[in-house]
Amino acid sequence: EVQLLESGGGMIQPGGSLRLSCAASGFTFSGYAISWVRQAPGKGLEWVSGISGSGGSTYYADSVKGRFTISRGNSKNTLYLQMNSLRAEDTALYYCAKDLANSSWFSGAFDIWGQGTMVTVSS
Amino acid sequence: DIQMTQSPSSLSASVGDRVIITCRASQGISNNLAWYQQKPGKVPKLLIYAASTLQSGVPSRFSGSGSGTDFTLTISCLQPEDVATYYCQKYNSAPPAFGPGTTVDIK
Repeated sequence: EVQLLESGGGMIQPGGSLRLSCAASGFTFSGYAISWVRQAPGKGLEWVSGISGSGGSTYYADSVKGRFTISRGNSKNTLYLQMNSLRAEDTALYYCAKDLANSSWFSGAFDIWGQGTMVTVSS
Repeated sequence: DIQMTQSPSSLSASVGDRVIITCRASQGISNNLAWYQQKPGKVPKLLIYAASTLQSGVPSRFSGSGSGTDFTLTISCLQPEDVATYYCQKYNSAPPAFGPGTTVDIK
C-alpha cells in the first residue's frame, strides 16, 4: 500500500525553526516528485514547496522562499522540510503529497497525501 | 503567477441533483487542471486530472471538462457522501495553485 507519514510538527515561537519529515512506503520513492502542501485552520489548500525525484530541482511558494528548505533522502525514502524564521501565518496542517506522474520531474498534481502534521507558531 | 478562482463558494443541493462547479484560471493552462475532494476532517482526494480524466476508483457520477481558462466539475447525481469541499488546481508549471474551494452540502 502506498503511504506517506508526516512527523515533526508542534508548537514553536515566532522566529523559531522546525524540521518536518515525511516517510514514504509502497512505491519507488526516487521515481516521483513530492511536495509539501499546507492548510491553515478553516482555510483552503496552499502549495508550499516541491522537489523532483532526484532532488536536483526544488520549487517554493513566494510566501516561504528564503525561509523554508525542501530536501529528500532517497536512500531513506524520506522527504524533509526545514522551516526557519517561522511566523504566525505559517500555522497550518502540513501535508506531504506524491506527484501523480511516474516521472522524476515535478508536475504538481497529487494522487497520494499523508495525514498531515500540525505546526503552530505562537508566543 | 497564475491565479485560480472558483464559483460558487458554496452551494446546497438535494440528493439526486446535478451539481456544477466552475473554475477559472487567470491565464491559459491547457488541460493541466485537477479537482480534489476534501471531506470534513479528512485528507484531500484526487478526483480528476488532465481536466477530464477520472482518477481510478472515483465514481462515474463525477466528471470534468474544459480547457484553456474555463473548467467545470459536474456531479451528475448528488449523493450524501459527496458533502465536501472541492478544490481545483492548476499544475505542470510551478507554482501549482489551488482555487479557494467550493463547499457542497445537502439541502
